[in-house]
Amino acid sequence: QSVLTQPPSVSAAPGQKVTISCSGSSSNIGNNYVSWYQQLPGTAPKLLMYENNKRPSGIPDRFSGSKSGTSATLGITGLQTGDEADYYCGTWDSSLSAGLFGGGTKLTVL
Amino acid sequence: EVQLVESGGGLVQPGGSLRLSCAASGFTFSSHWMTWVRQAPGKGLEWVANIKQDGSEKYYVDSVKGRFTISRDNAKNSLYLQMNSLGAEDTAVYYCARDQYCDIWGQGTMVTVSS
Repeated sequence: QSVLTQPPSVSAAPGQKVTISCSGSSSNIGNNYVSWYQQLPGTAPKLLMYENNKRPSGIPDRFSGSKSGTSATLGITGLQTGDEADYYCGTWDSSLSAGLFGGGTKLTVL
Repeated sequence: EVQLVESGGGLVQPGGSLRLSCAASGFTFSSHWMTWVRQAPGKGLEWVANIKQDGSEKYYVDSVKGRFTISRDNAKNSLYLQMNSLGAEDTAVYYCARDQYCDIWGQGTMVTVSS
């Protein structure tokens, strides 16, 4: 069981909006930056968001990130079938002195 | 082009050892933390270890402490993961990634621990 908790799955229709939550504690999310990753089937993960809400070059503004206290959220608007993937949050844990990933959330675009 | 290419994976017997390599190109390797992440078949991502630019700081997930060693050779633009006392639970695709927030990923190399 992951220290960072994500919902196993979320779903929404094309064109709609979805949010994915990532819950942690003061030793990880509460005091460190959060990143988000997209993993399409059969491929390596790809960075979607870093430092809570910054998008790397090439990531569309349909993707957004936020953090409040010990939780973080990834938002995706204007859903496309190509967004179907597994999404992971990640951060550092200052108590463990180790990195962490959430358990992952499978997004289905119905 | 910024690129990371892992190699060294394969089939190894329980209790055996393996050394993974990650070749970096297209960026100043010596200026970045580097990270190893693994993914067991059908499972999520697991952070394994990371190393500071000059190798002076190294961190590991508890499950590999004492068995795995992360290292780097900045002159060769290469990252390594020495894995000893391997068990079935270490079976996974191993990815190297740039920086602590993993902005660039390699394609991964598969490690299978089985008799």
